[in-house]
Amino acid sequence: EADIYQTPRYLVIGTGKKITLECSQTMGHDKMYWYQQDPGMELHLIHYSYGVNSTEKGDLSSESTVSRIRTEHFPLTLESARPSHTSQYLCASSEQGRNIQYFGAGTRLSVL
Amino acid sequence: SQQGEEDPQALSIQEGENATMNCSYKTSINNLQWYRQNSGRGLVHLILIRSNEREKHSGRLRVTLDTSKKSSSLLITASRAADTASYFCATDASGETSGSRLTFGEGTQLTVNP
Repeated sequence: EADIYQTPRYLVIGTGKKITLECSQTMGHDKMYWYQQDPGMELHLIHYSYGVNSTEKGDLSSESTVSRIRTEHFPLTLESARPSHTSQYLCASSEQGRNIQYFGAGTRLSVL
Repeated sequence: SQQGEEDPQALSIQEGENATMNCSYKTSINNLQWYRQNSGRGLVHLILIRSNEREKHSGRLRVTLDTSKKSSSLLITASRAADTASYFCATDASGETSGSRLTFGEGTQLTVNP
């Protein structure tokens, strides 16, 4: 089991709410990633970071934002949730020089 | 355009049979990886094969890579009900300045019936 944790595991919220999905890893990895995945579908990279104070947008346009103030923490924020944001969000990390990614268990988000 | 495409999309077999999944990609790669995802969970890394390797084994897993055809296959031998999961290939494309980004395929849903 990888030491990467996501909270909450499940979240049901109303339209317009601001939410933050948490992701923490205790492996000291520099690189962290956020993916969006609909059930049974492929993963889409929405944000990534190569270290503290480094954040980049991924391949899939997303209305979310991320921050990387500490190595171990990479939270994702939605300022105003909409039903189209309903999906599973997966966080991952990898160590410098190796690109094997370690995933958290995911947050399943439902926006009503 | 999508880097990795897998087939079949779904595969159902009996316990003890072998399962083969295929992955095709479009650009040059540094390496190709296979991951497993149990329902409702995150992905778990299974095996990595470098672009200069043709075959790799790990337990009941065998991965092949044909860079001329831009394709890879994952073979699971003597399957068990516990192998039921989705399997994804992921490519690390060479030449990217951003380094360790992976592009994931659409996945193959494997069901192993007891």
